[in-house]
Amino acid sequence: EPEVTQTPSHQVTQMGQEVILRCVPISNHLYFYWYRQILGQKVEFLVSFYNNEISEKSEIFDDQFSVERPDGSNFTLKIRSTKLEDSAMYFCASSRDPGHQPQHFGDGTRLSIL
Amino acid sequence: RKEVEQDPGPFNVPEGATVAFNCTYSNSASQSFFWYRQDCRKEPKLLMSVYSSGNEDGRFTAQLNRASQYISLLIRDSKLSDSATYLCVVNMEGGKLIFGQGTELSVKP
Repeated sequence: EPEVTQTPSHQVTQMGQEVILRCVPISNHLYFYWYRQILGQKVEFLVSFYNNEISEKSEIFDDQFSVERPDGSNFTLKIRSTKLEDSAMYFCASSRDPGHQPQHFGDGTRLSIL
Repeated sequence: RKEVEQDPGPFNVPEGATVAFNCTYSNSASQSFFWYRQDCRKEPKLLMSVYSSGNEDGRFTAQLNRASQYISLLIRDSKLSDSATYLCVVNMEGGKLIFGQGTELSVKP
């Protein structure tokens, strides 16, 4: 069964440094998403991406965040200057359509900011 | 009012028990509905979509009542492997998923 893959599985970074989280969505999916989950809290939407542009973003997704699809397979989330409160699990997801098809999640990147 | 609200849990049940989870959502424009399960510190995994007519997948039955904005999940003959956190998830227009805080289930031998 095709799956979403994410790298790295765990990233430890000093506060103020830039991080790039990588995702390879399922190959025939056209809609891509990032979510985060702070330890002990619920999963929160960050951003959706379709046709090489952002479709929607949440209040969390401020100017420090950006997304990109640099080639035909990868989908990346960049945090420019990390803060302690960016520590969380970051999940990438993809789907065939945004309305009724379920989203499939990667196994996440645990980001720890020191 | 929270966008998606679930039973707080945890639910501790013996093997073979039937357990029901409830969920309410606040936005009547919600387009589609799902139950996901999440094992400790892992990714959410799709359990089933939820349809207005109700749907069943083996031991799992999901119901949706759009009028009362209520979603349920019933697990029959629970197994040890059913132990997880169950996430009620609502899909808004454009694909934004809104998650409930989850209901933890622990099935004991």
